[in-house]
Amino acid sequence: GESVGLHLPTLSVQEGDNSIINCAYSNSASDYFIWYKQESGKGPQFIIDIRSNMDKRQGQRVTVLLNKTVKHLSLQIAATQPGDSAVYFCAESSRAGSYQLTFGKGTKLSVIP
Amino acid sequence: NAGVTQTPKFQVLKTGQSMTLQCAQDMNHEYMSWYRQDPGMGLRLIHYSVGAGITDQGEVPNGYNVSRSTTEDFPLRLLSAAPSQTSVYFCASSYSTKQYFGPGTRLTVT
Repeated sequence: GESVGLHLPTLSVQEGDNSIINCAYSNSASDYFIWYKQESGKGPQFIIDIRSNMDKRQGQRVTVLLNKTVKHLSLQIAATQPGDSAVYFCAESSRAGSYQLTFGKGTKLSVIP
Repeated sequence: NAGVTQTPKFQVLKTGQSMTLQCAQDMNHEYMSWYRQDPGMGLRLIHYSVGAGITDQGEVPNGYNVSRSTTEDFPLRLLSAAPSQTSVYFCASSYSTKQYFGPGTRLTVT
């Protein structure tokens, strides 16, 4: 079946460096993508989202890039801080306006002080 | 606003017991959903509701029941707990595709 997955299960970066977390998806009908951050013992928190008619969207210190040709999504975190340490999930929705999300397995980001 | 609240935070059940996980939101969101999260896996959708009186099954509905009598509340019932239902359960609500998650309930079934 269709799935959302991640290239790397863990990522360690030095404080102050930029982080890039990748996500591959296989459903060509995916219309909406979203990144969540989950800290230990907490529920997922929304970071940033992007629709399939865009290829880049920026937030505060975060940028999401979407490459529909190769079905690839990435989350870039600038000047990574210790507070960025968490598990990051990508999720996708395959129908415009649908509330149903399919989540990837997650990447654990560890920031080295 | 309290956002999405869940109770209890932790629960231990014996096989065969039943219980209800509570979820409430004060954002007047129409859409609510329940997910389970197992180690090394993403969140999997159990049940969802697009409004009071309307519920539907997600990816992994077996062993769970839901009801939506009010906009605010969306309880999840385990009818006869099994060890395979040991997991962390998250409730979420939204008015669009951006979902807001509760803090989770960690359930252990022995």
